Amino acid sequence: GENVEQHPSTLSVQEGDSAVIKCTYSDSASNYFPWYKQELGKGPQLIIDIRSNVGEKKDQRIAVTLNKTAKHFSLHITETQPEDSAVYFCAASKDTNAGKSTFGDGTTLTVKP
Amino acid sequence: ETGVTQSPTHLIKTRGQQVTLRCSSQSGHNTVSWYQQALGQGPQFIFQYYREEENGRGNFPPRFSGLQFPNYSSELNVNALELDDSALYLCASSSGPGGQPQHFGDGTRLSIL
Repeated sequence: GENVEQHPSTLSVQEGDSAVIKCTYSDSASNYFPWYKQELGKGPQLIIDIRSNVGEKKDQRIAVTLNKTAKHFSLHITETQPEDSAVYFCAASKDTNAGKSTFGDGTTLTVKP
Repeated sequence: ETGVTQSPTHLIKTRGQQVTLRCSSQSGHNTVSWYQQALGQGPQFIFQYYREEENGRGNFPPRFSGLQFPNYSSELNVNALELDDSALYLCASSSGPGGQPQHFGDGTRLSIL
């Protein structure tokens, strides 16, 4: 089955700096890659997603890049703010069933004011 | 638009007992996926229900079972509880098995003593 590895497990940045989180996946058939933000006591919330026919997607301060050949994808957050502090998860699935996603183990991002 | 709601928010059980967790899907969503999230890890796929039928299962034993009702609300049942079942249980709904994105509830925190 699919295996998703996520790095780093913790990341601390100063407010205004950029943050990058990287994930690799094992199943070349995976073609849908969402990123979730999970705040304390809450469920994961989708922040951005990308499909395998797209190499990059941007939404304001958040961007995701995908390298299908290398089977890795990354989350980029620019101009970080204290409210970006949370746990971030990457996931991979086949778009025939996004509900059967395989998740990474998460990155705890701390943005220091 | 009503989001995904889960009940109860917290639950304490002892080993060997049985538990039922409930999920109300987002309006119009006919697919629900259940995940187990152990402390410090990403969510792990348990199973999915689509139009009241199980539509895929992760690597969980048969004592984990589910139901989906005609109104698309659902239940997760766990028999013969073990200490390792202590986790946050998340449900996520989507419009169809391939529907993107999934919308997560805030989970039920289950503690086994």
